[in-house]
Amino acid sequence: SQTIHQWPATLVQPVGSPLSLECTVEGTSNPNLYWYRQAAGRGLQLLFYSVGIGQISSEVPQNLSASRPQDRQFILSSKKLLLSDSGFYLCAWSFAADTQYFGPGTRLTVL
Amino acid sequence: KQEVTQIPAALSVPEGENLVLNCSFTDSAIYNLQWFRQDPGKGLTSLLLIQSSQREQTSGRLNASLDKSSGRSTLYIAASQPGDSATYLCAVKPGGYNKLIFGAGTRLAVHP
Repeated sequence: SQTIHQWPATLVQPVGSPLSLECTVEGTSNPNLYWYRQAAGRGLQLLFYSVGIGQISSEVPQNLSASRPQDRQFILSSKKLLLSDSGFYLCAWSFAADTQYFGPGTRLTVL
Repeated sequence: KQEVTQIPAALSVPEGENLVLNCSFTDSAIYNLQWFRQDPGKGLTSLLLIQSSQREQTSGRLNASLDKSSGRSTLYIAASQPGDSATYLCAVKPGGYNKLIFGAGTRLAVHP
């Protein structure tokens, strides 16, 4: 069966510091991968998605970036965090247009 | 631009009641619609997926319907239990796009 992992589970970072969140999927090959952010009191917002290694589509212009160095690894990064980057970050995977399956999330607090 | 709205934003009911959660979307050109459950501080769990050609899907005590032409979906929960307490999210997949657009969710509390 397929499993999706995210780490770290929680993170507290100062403004201006770098960020790296990691997501890995087990038990499947060539999945579509997604990064979402859920800000307090707001719905989920798609940040990036990837249909293959090195293929990244950005949905929202901001100071975040994503990379997919391996088939089942998706990384969310920032060079300098802003207060507005605080939120709950969720990674998900799917096969094409099929059901999306979500990871446990990373709670990021920027102080 | 596709927008998804969920009503009510919050709901508190006694155990045993049958519930209806509502989801509406502005553009009927969708590929599918999904209902998710989110427990506090946790990720999302997929409950039901309805393809655009389908009218409803059922899983246990859950039944989701889709009326694409009117831009509506409902999630029916039969015989609610305290363990059903969570936030329920509706999301549509626009045709031709590889993403989901979410509503803000309905926060459900079922008390004994």
